[in-house]
Amino acid sequence: IVLTQSPATLSLSPGERVTLSCRASQSVGHYLAWFQQKPGQAPRLLIYDASNRATGIPARFSGSGSGTYFSLTISSLEPEDFAVYYCQQRSNWPTFGPGTKVEIK
Amino acid sequence: DVQLVESGGGLVQPGGSLRLSCVASGFTFSDYEMNWVRQSPEKGLEWVAYISSGGSTIYYADSVKGRFIISRDDAKNSLYLQMNNLRADDTSLYYCVRDRHPASYYDRSGPHWFDPWGHGTLVTVSS
Repeated sequence: IVLTQSPATLSLSPGERVTLSCRASQSVGHYLAWFQQKPGQAPRLLIYDASNRATGIPARFSGSGSGTYFSLTISSLEPEDFAVYYCQQRSNWPTFGPGTKVEIK
Repeated sequence: DVQLVESGGGLVQPGGSLRLSCVASGFTFSDYEMNWVRQSPEKGLEWVAYISSGGSTIYYADSVKGRFIISRDDAKNSLYLQMNNLRADDTSLYYCVRDRHPASYYDRSGPHWFDPWGHGTLVTVSS
């Protein structure tokens, strides 16, 4: 299953609302997760089962979607949120999207 | 705190072998399914291998099947990846990754949600 993320890069300012998208080449049900990765760090799980926040993840992060279209919304960007975001499915053997970089404008 | 610490990476020639290790702490290792995931600039994030709690069920990505062997030693809280017949496209940062929930949470084995991750160990395959 191929995951496509768009856009590849977003240039935004702190305080802005952002929605990232992830499309699957076939239905993955609700078996989708989102990760955040900062330079020099491992990915960190944010959302699993499409909409469940992982432990310790702030409420400004929310996930939605099912089937082939999913989104991750950050309601108000904090300085520490500038990073690369990946989606991952586990409906079949796990695959990851190519990532969306959220950079400071 | 949950910790996963990888070691064993390095520079190896094509066709060579390496054994990666991961020592876990801060949780009951034997209760959890474990994975190896790798990351490279060329291919991005790629799931490599899975092992069930107890080690009876193992799965591999097609790209490493027949060359890599995942194993675990619950007495040592350790996960391993034996990598044989290495190729240039195996060059990656290799992460040891725990499943988010203990095995008893799920109704079937297999990779689920990856949380947390170790810091990774770098494998470079080059002559």
